[in-house]
Amino acid sequence: ETGVTQTPRHLVMGMTNKKSLKCEQHLGHNAMYWYKQSAKKPLELMFVYSLEERVENNSVPSRFSPECPNSSHLFLHLHTLQPEDSALYLCASSHSAGTGGETQYFGPGTRLLVL
Amino acid sequence: QQQVKQSPQSLIVQKGGISIINCAYENTAFDYFPWYQQFPGKGPALLIAIRPDVSEKKEGRFTISFNKSAKQFSLHIMDSQPGDSATYFCAASPTGANNLFFGTGTRLTVIP
Repeated sequence: ETGVTQTPRHLVMGMTNKKSLKCEQHLGHNAMYWYKQSAKKPLELMFVYSLEERVENNSVPSRFSPECPNSSHLFLHLHTLQPEDSALYLCASSHSAGTGGETQYFGPGTRLLVL
Repeated sequence: QQQVKQSPQSLIVQKGGISIINCAYENTAFDYFPWYQQFPGKGPALLIAIRPDVSEKKEGRFTISFNKSAKQFSLHIMDSQPGDSATYFCAASPTGANNLFFGTGTRLTVIP
């Protein structure tokens, strides 16, 4: 399988549940990203990892917890979410995170609905 | 505060026509301006990108026009086709970083 894959593609969870989103990139990249895409709002960068170290955390609530065990895998652990967290969560990767001007390759996203 | 402002929110163009999407920014530290294309059920994919040292970049039917003094850039799609129907996002990132700041998107519909 090539590119950036994400699982699951759709997720429905209650506010007291704990779930995880998974992202895998098959491009040999060193940087990975989590974005939130809500209707009529810009894509919001949530987290950036470079060589498995978190380099950016854009004031994201602690109910979102990222994990990057290696440069190919990225997780987003979810717990006690709110209905306003319902959105499309996109994972992306690039060769590196700090050089600027690099193409980011996006996965298809996980559509999350919090009830 | 929205770093990149995009308009229009939606656009309907006849097949063969020109589609124009505009973006504006304030942060003079931005030095990389990509456009991404997103089809339903897919993630965004890079379409074309420009650096501020040139005023125009063309790839096939897609052209970016860049006005550094006005801090504006736009995407022109020539000879628009129904297969171009998608949501288009402009973005910008600052020097030495890959953090992308996206516009709100433009949903383009090309009617046959």
